[in-house]
Amino acid sequence: DARVTQTPRHKVTEMGQEVTMRCQPILGHNTVFWYRQTMMQGLELLAYFRNRAPLDDSGMPKDRFSAEMPDATLATLKIQPSEPRDSAVYFCASGLVLLAGGPAKTQYFGPGTRLLVL
Amino acid sequence: AQKVTQAQTEISVVEKEDVTLDCVYETRDTTYYLFWYKQPPSGELVFLIRRNSFDEQNEISGRYSWNFQKSTSSFNFTITASQVVDSAVYFCALSDTKTSYDKVIFGPGTSLSVIP
Repeated sequence: DARVTQTPRHKVTEMGQEVTMRCQPILGHNTVFWYRQTMMQGLELLAYFRNRAPLDDSGMPKDRFSAEMPDATLATLKIQPSEPRDSAVYFCASGLVLLAGGPAKTQYFGPGTRLLVL
Repeated sequence: AQKVTQAQTEISVVEKEDVTLDCVYETRDTTYYLFWYKQPPSGELVFLIRRNSFDEQNEISGRYSWNFQKSTSSFNFTITASQVVDSAVYFCALSDTKTSYDKVIFGPGTSLSVIP
């Protein structure tokens, strides 16, 4: 049963520290998404990649957040420096797009990284 | 603009009751996709169904059924004979060509509590 995996599952850190979250998409999926979930804002798309290339990161605070895909099996989301307002659950999702401009069949979500910045 | 409304913030039902979760969407696109996801207390988002705008057939999967009505821009989800394991937050979502299909817009969610 293929699943998206995320590490760490929980992270507590102090303000100003660097946080790195990792995601392993489902093998064969060519599109990877990063979401943030908070009580106030709900689920927000931060950034996504297709075939490892960033397609859109307009949802991400540029000054402190960065997202990369070093290879097809790893996506990372980094926050530097972290702030208390970054406390949230960060989800990674992956999907397969077969046709250019077409939709992913669906997005499969990982278990999330619960981040608390003190 | 694209928008998904789930007017029911919280619902409580007694086990074995039927419950319907409402979803109303807005889009100017003629081609779009609708989704339902479940988020149980464990936190993971679980895909339930994907429907494209050209397929208005209702869908049934076990105790779950979905009613898609383009005339009212609604995509409602019914759980028949609810069980405690159905307790979760349920999200309705939309993607269309205006936002590119990749940008799925989620509703605020409906928290369902099934009481034994």
